Amino acid sequence: EVRLVQSGAEVSRPGESLKISCQASGYSFTHYWIGWVRQMPGKGLEWVGIIFPYDSDVRVSPSFKGQVTLSADKAINTAYLHWSSLKASDTAIFYCARLFRPYGDYECFDSWGQGTLVTVSS
Amino acid sequence: DIQMTQSQSSLSASVGDRVTITCRASHFITGYLNWYQQKPGNAPKLLIYAASNLQSGVPSRFSGRGSGTHFTLTITNLQPEDSATYYCQQSHTTPHTFGQGTKVHIK
Repeated sequence: EVRLVQSGAEVSRPGESLKISCQASGYSFTHYWIGWVRQMPGKGLEWVGIIFPYDSDVRVSPSFKGQVTLSADKAINTAYLHWSSLKASDTAIFYCARLFRPYGDYECFDSWGQGTLVTVSS
Repeated sequence: DIQMTQSQSSLSASVGDRVTITCRASHFITGYLNWYQQKPGNAPKLLIYAASNLQSGVPSRFSGRGSGTHFTLTITNLQPEDSATYYCQQSHTTPHTFGQGTKVHIK
């Protein structure tokens, strides 16, 4: 069974750094892209970016470029989302999800983590 | 970026009704379109991939159609547990953008 387990809720102050995690199990971690999706309070889903753990190839949405960093540790099947300097506007739930190719080059997020609530407040 | 537009922000229907949610892409995306369901407090769940393929375990009352720029998600015989927000997503070009969501209320 594919499982993505995310780290717990975080409360941070503006300007602080933060790294949240997503640990995968039940499949070959290095063979699938892992993505991150943001959901601001009461709002819709926003695609942040994806990382291929095999070689750490990364694709980041222009809306998030320079704001977050994606990384992965193959040894412990874990993907990370990192901020070097948080802003209040970073307050949101962040989901990780596995990017699956059912056939051809069609892609979808077929398995999701439970979400990590990040609250940034002074 | 490709913009995805769901024209209905919300809709209301009764148990047993047929409901259709629409999604339009700003660019031609052939069949690179997914649908997700999200219930309050939960992560999204994949319903349909590649425009019309039902994800394993999803009830057959859900179906997807469309190609190019116009897509639909149809729920036949609406059930109380279908109360949720539904999102389309294009996977033609990164970033794989989402629509803004359509909230389905049960009367």
